[in-house]
Amino acid sequence: EDKVVQSPLSLVVHEGDTVTLNCSYEVTNFRSLLWYKQEKKAPTFLFMLTSSGIEKKSGRLSSILDKKELFSILNITATQTGDSAVYLCAARNAGGTSYGKLTFGQGTILTVHP
Amino acid sequence: NAGVTQTPKFQVLKTGQSMTLQCAQDMNHEYMSWYRQDPGMGLRLIHYSVGAGITDQGEVPNGYNVSRSTTEDFPLRLLSAAPSQTSVYFCASSYDGTVSYEQYFGPGTRLTVT
Repeated sequence: EDKVVQSPLSLVVHEGDTVTLNCSYEVTNFRSLLWYKQEKKAPTFLFMLTSSGIEKKSGRLSSILDKKELFSILNITATQTGDSAVYLCAARNAGGTSYGKLTFGQGTILTVHP
Repeated sequence: NAGVTQTPKFQVLKTGQSMTLQCAQDMNHEYMSWYRQDPGMGLRLIHYSVGAGITDQGEVPNGYNVSRSTTEDFPLRLLSAAPSQTSVYFCASSYDGTVSYEQYFGPGTRLTVT
């Protein structure tokens, strides 16, 4: 059974702190790993990672994938109150009977205090 | 471009009632899927479709039916609602489920079954 596990489940920090969110996966025919941010509505896309060791960066957010150890991290530097959200990671597989299925982790609830 | 639209936004049903959640996309995406989101459990895949006329079960398909008669629409039917189906339902689409394309989410439908 495909599985994605995120840690920590929740995190409380102060503005300016740096946080690291973890995502480990066990997925048959792994194709890519995606990160989403969810703020009381639909998830919005952050990153998609398909290759090991190549960092993706967008402003203060960055993410990297390790396909050998089957995990990904999402870093947020100089956190702001607007970063407060649930961060979801999802692993996509391809082929076989699970055509392009996304398996989501439970999410990490990040709270950033002023 | 409206993206992915879902109706209704909110719905209250009595146990045993049936209803259809509507989902439509105008991006000509082949791949569409339905998820439910419950507290602390991330998003769980209910059913998905890789193109018109083709559907398959996800992780939690029991109690739900889908059909895909057109590329644009992917309705989710609850056959006989149960309190365990109280959840937030998200529809999503992407260009192609087999390659690493971003998945776009609709705004969600909050369903309560009493």
